[in-house]
Amino acid sequence: DSGVTQTPKHLITATGQRVTLRCSPRSGDLSVYWYQQSLDQGLQFLIQYYNGEERAKGNILERFSAQQFPDLHSELNLSSLELGDSALYFCASSAIGGIGNTIYFGEGSWLTVV
Amino acid sequence: QKEVEQDPGPLSVPEGAIVSLNCTYSNSAFQYFMWYRQYSRKGPELLMYTYSSGNKEDGRFTAQVDKSSKYISLFIRDSQPSDSATYLCAFTGGYQKVTFGIGTKLQVIP
Repeated sequence: DSGVTQTPKHLITATGQRVTLRCSPRSGDLSVYWYQQSLDQGLQFLIQYYNGEERAKGNILERFSAQQFPDLHSELNLSSLELGDSALYFCASSAIGGIGNTIYFGEGSWLTVV
Repeated sequence: QKEVEQDPGPLSVPEGAIVSLNCTYSNSAFQYFMWYRQYSRKGPELLMYTYSSGNKEDGRFTAQVDKSSKYISLFIRDSQPSDSATYLCAFTGGYQKVTFGIGTKLQVIP
């Protein structure tokens, strides 16, 4: 158990809908990362937050947004969903001053868009 | 040129074999090198973490880094069926995002 908690574990929704994925980082970790993993793309970095502030942005679509709250949990909002958004969405966290930024992953949220 | 190149495999080996997994990278800013193991539909878990060029050993696993060639390897000795998983190399420059390889799928056959 990495200590990173993600909910829901599985989600099926229709095209055009909006969903929210939730992540609680490991105790004490200030950084939260979101990654998308599909079969043919590998792990794609979406966005990183550090202590509530956006730190880095990757290949995140404009239809997607995220935030980190004062209690350090994070949410990833996916809107106007398309079939191609079906993927595993991982949250990860790392400690402050983490040299090397070793990050620890949650179990993922499996999103299926139908 | 991609920042990270990793052969997706699959790689099938008999139980007890030595496995060699490799990645190349192009970003000179990468200073920290990691290997993650991911079982099917599970979150990746950190296996090894190295900083400098050279070898680092942990049980049956050895991570090797050659910064001059921008090449890293993971060796698994006496491979076991439980080692069957996807292995991802990962890189970071420090506080920046971690960049992952696509992962090599390994199957160890009993």
